[in-house]
Amino acid sequence: AQTVTQSQPEMSVQEAETVTLSCTYDTSESDYYLFWYKQPPSRQMILVIRQEAYKQQNATENRFSVNFQKAAKSFSLKISDSQLGDAAMYFCAYRSINAGNMLTFGGGTRLMVKP
Amino acid sequence: KAGVTQTPRYLIKTRGQQVTLSCSPISGHRSVSWYQQTPGQGLQFLFEYFSETQRNKGNFPGRFSGRQFSNSRSEMNVSTLELGDSALYLCASSRGTGATYGYTFGSGTRLTVV
Repeated sequence: AQTVTQSQPEMSVQEAETVTLSCTYDTSESDYYLFWYKQPPSRQMILVIRQEAYKQQNATENRFSVNFQKAAKSFSLKISDSQLGDAAMYFCAYRSINAGNMLTFGGGTRLMVKP
Repeated sequence: KAGVTQTPRYLIKTRGQQVTLSCSPISGHRSVSWYQQTPGQGLQFLFEYFSETQRNKGNFPGRFSGRQFSNSRSEMNVSTLELGDSALYLCASSRGTGATYGYTFGSGTRLTVV
């Protein structure tokens, strides 16, 4: 079974600064998908960014980018120019290509943004 | 377009009772998955339904069950509620099943068991 670990329960960043959230995972599969989800107080999980394991190029979505290190099984999220609206819980998730729509989540990182 | 709708938003039940939660997916989405979120265990997969058939099931006791109707709406049921069942229950819908399909979550049902 796959496991996902987020070692930082809480992180803090100054508005307009850059912050990196860490995620490591364990799998014996060679092809899979990785995701970062944001959960604000409204509770809805919102997709931030997605990475296919077979793609070597790191995914980027506006101010959000990832550092995907397949051999190290590491998948960190970098948020540039942090905004107050970025404050939320962030979850790293793994999705096998062989397990339908099942996601395996990490424990989450609470991001606080200081004005 | 309308998102994933979960009802009710909040629910308080007594230990030993049963509860039914509802999830209406985005129009055209045929897959619905359910997750339990607790402070202690985090987010855990419950089950996935596609075209009225259960495709995957997580590691939960038989008290947790679900179903999907022909219009893709899904319900999950928890019987003989325990205090530990208090959680946020999230559902997510997708057009199909498989990693190439995008996933949209609802805002969840907060269940409190007293």
